[in-house]
Amino acid sequence: EIVLTQSPGTLSLSPGERATLSCRASQSVSSSYLAWYQQKPGQAPRLLIYGASSRATGIPDRFSGSGSGTDFTLTISRLEPEDFAVYYCQQYGSSPVAFGQGTKVEIK
Amino acid sequence: EVQLVESGGGLVQPGGSLRLSCAASGFTFSSYWMSWVRQAPGKGLEWVANIKQDGSEKYYVDSVKGRFTISRDNAKNSLYLQMNSLRAEDTAVYYCARGGTTVTMYRYWGQGTLVTVSS
Repeated sequence: EIVLTQSPGTLSLSPGERATLSCRASQSVSSSYLAWYQQKPGQAPRLLIYGASSRATGIPDRFSGSGSGTDFTLTISRLEPEDFAVYYCQQYGSSPVAFGQGTKVEIK
Repeated sequence: EVQLVESGGGLVQPGGSLRLSCAASGFTFSSYWMSWVRQAPGKGLEWVANIKQDGSEKYYVDSVKGRFTISRDNAKNSLYLQMNSLRAEDTAVYYCARGGTTVTMYRYWGQGTLVTVSS
């Protein structure tokens, strides 16, 4: 089974700054079936990116995903106040489905 | 509008049972994989179980195999999770999530239902 490791655990940044989040898989993720989710306290996760780089409906273009194989990145080009949250990657190319442990983006 | 509404959570003693339900609307339920994903207090997301459109394939995380059963009723647009032999470590918010037609990334999620296993 594939294990996903996200880094860093916490990212302390100011509004307007660029955020770069990493997700590394223990094995190659089939067909780049890698998704990113955002979760705010008390809310369900929200799909941001699927297929490693496709933005979900309604997601602002400041969010972008890249990568293939075992290394994937979520980039937020300019942080808005509403972007401070926890972000999870998920692989869905092989069974069992797996999530990373999350990266918290907090206000510096 | 796609809606997923979970119910059935609550407080249960260790060794007890609970049945979670998820009522789906706003889409053709029988066309999609469905899943349960849980989140322990202050922790990350953990996939629990998947079920194929016609119920012919079911998959579970190792920690719940033999204790949890996922099922669906396409006529009632409903997803279920029967949880037996519950343990303290099963305490979590349980989310119902809609997968895709062939893959299981989750575009839609319910609001979650809290299961607390404690004496």
